[in-house]
Amino acid sequence: RKEVEQDPGPFNVPEGATVAFNCTYSNSASQSFFWYRQDCRKEPKLLMSVYSSGNEDGRFTAQLNRASQYISLLIRDSKLSDSATYLCVVIMDSSYKLIFGSGTRLLVRP
Amino acid sequence: DTAVSQTPKYLVTQMGNDKSIKCEQNLGHDTMYWYKQDSKKFLKIMFSYNNKELIINETVPNRFSPKSPDKAHLNLHINSLELGDSAVYFCASSVWTSGISNEQFFGPGTRLTVL
Repeated sequence: RKEVEQDPGPFNVPEGATVAFNCTYSNSASQSFFWYRQDCRKEPKLLMSVYSSGNEDGRFTAQLNRASQYISLLIRDSKLSDSATYLCVVIMDSSYKLIFGSGTRLLVRP
Repeated sequence: DTAVSQTPKYLVTQMGNDKSIKCEQNLGHDTMYWYKQDSKKFLKIMFSYNNKELIINETVPNRFSPKSPDKAHLNLHINSLELGDSAVYFCASSVWTSGISNEQFFGPGTRLTVL
């Protein structure tokens, strides 16, 4: 089993739609979680950190479920500019390194 | 000004050659990383340096050797290039607080093609 798993998609949604991505992680000792965004042929950039209590940033909401070992990202009112690959990132307890999921591709159509 | 820069942006070379990729950050961060993103877009860490000290060294062939002359630079040298080395290599930097990596800032990537 991979350390961090994501549905690769693509998710093809119309503008204005709400879309949710899930990500599961295998190590229960994982302590930090993030969502990064990567545009085509560009570098990854931090979208948001994921906190235990859940957090929201505008149209984006991130949730963490430690019991089931998954994190989620909800995007409301999708924009064309949201089209990108969304990378789930987990920091394992002992290794201090970031483990990236393979990414979920989102396509928002007019 | 570019926060994390890499050179070259594109590198096309023959199998068996030796090549280097350079990375510089002007963010004042103390930790730098090298990642490899293969054709399936899977991003995997290779090395990490904290204050010029190697702290992460994943299972990477000995042909890959990182060098950090100072906190702002982390270079990657690759010997005897193979076809499977073709990928995009990303450099990144962050601040290391209490053993935890904070937000990582990535360079634009170096697209390496081995013929």
